[in-house]
Amino acid sequence: EAQVTQNPRYLITVTGKKLTVTCSQNMNHEYMSWYRQDPGLGLRQIYYSMNVEVTDKGDVPEGYKVSRKEKRNFPLILESPSPNQTSLYFCASSFGSGPSYEQYFGPGTRLTVT
Amino acid sequence: AQSVTQLDSQVPVFEEAPVELRCNYSSSVSVYLFWYVQYPNQGLQLLLKYLSGSTLVESINGFEAEFNKSQTSFHLRKPSVHISDTAEYFCAVGDFDGATNKLIFGTGTLLAVQP
Repeated sequence: EAQVTQNPRYLITVTGKKLTVTCSQNMNHEYMSWYRQDPGLGLRQIYYSMNVEVTDKGDVPEGYKVSRKEKRNFPLILESPSPNQTSLYFCASSFGSGPSYEQYFGPGTRLTVT
Repeated sequence: AQSVTQLDSQVPVFEEAPVELRCNYSSSVSVYLFWYVQYPNQGLQLLLKYLSGSTLVESINGFEAEFNKSQTSFHLRKPSVHISDTAEYFCAVGDFDGATNKLIFGTGTLLAVQP
């Protein structure tokens, strides 16, 4: 089944404890991105990657890191999480860049930082 | 800068009644518009999109949206809703400026269908 998977689905952590949220897709997509969803703000893009070893900042990159060493994986790293990073995170992927390429979203990771 | 406004945060409606979810956009470049649906505890799924051509676009489950350039709107409609349509609906405008493949989302509208 073609899908985007994220792990973990739920995570409660404490301020300053490094964490990684994994994202993997099995559709051979070149483009991957991370969004965060907050009440009243909709979804905002954090980082994106056009291909392996190519990443760039989205609208809200502060406090996050990403890497793209393999085509299928695009982990989101929070080196020192803070409470304002409590949010619902979505990974997305598409075959290419452009309006004709549908973006597929993962199921989401709900992160709480205390 | 491109932006999307969804004026209604929640729309309660009775089953089998018609519904309209409003979306207005701001874009200075080519307009690509999308509606995504998020069912409880799930990720977003593409419902329908407007890229070019016919201004009326339809989904497989009875929703439709009309691109209105003069009113900068892309409202989502369904003539008769079901309980299973209860979900959050996000309107988005696409920003595909070469290196980016970004969707700019509205704040979402929760459609609550009551029996």
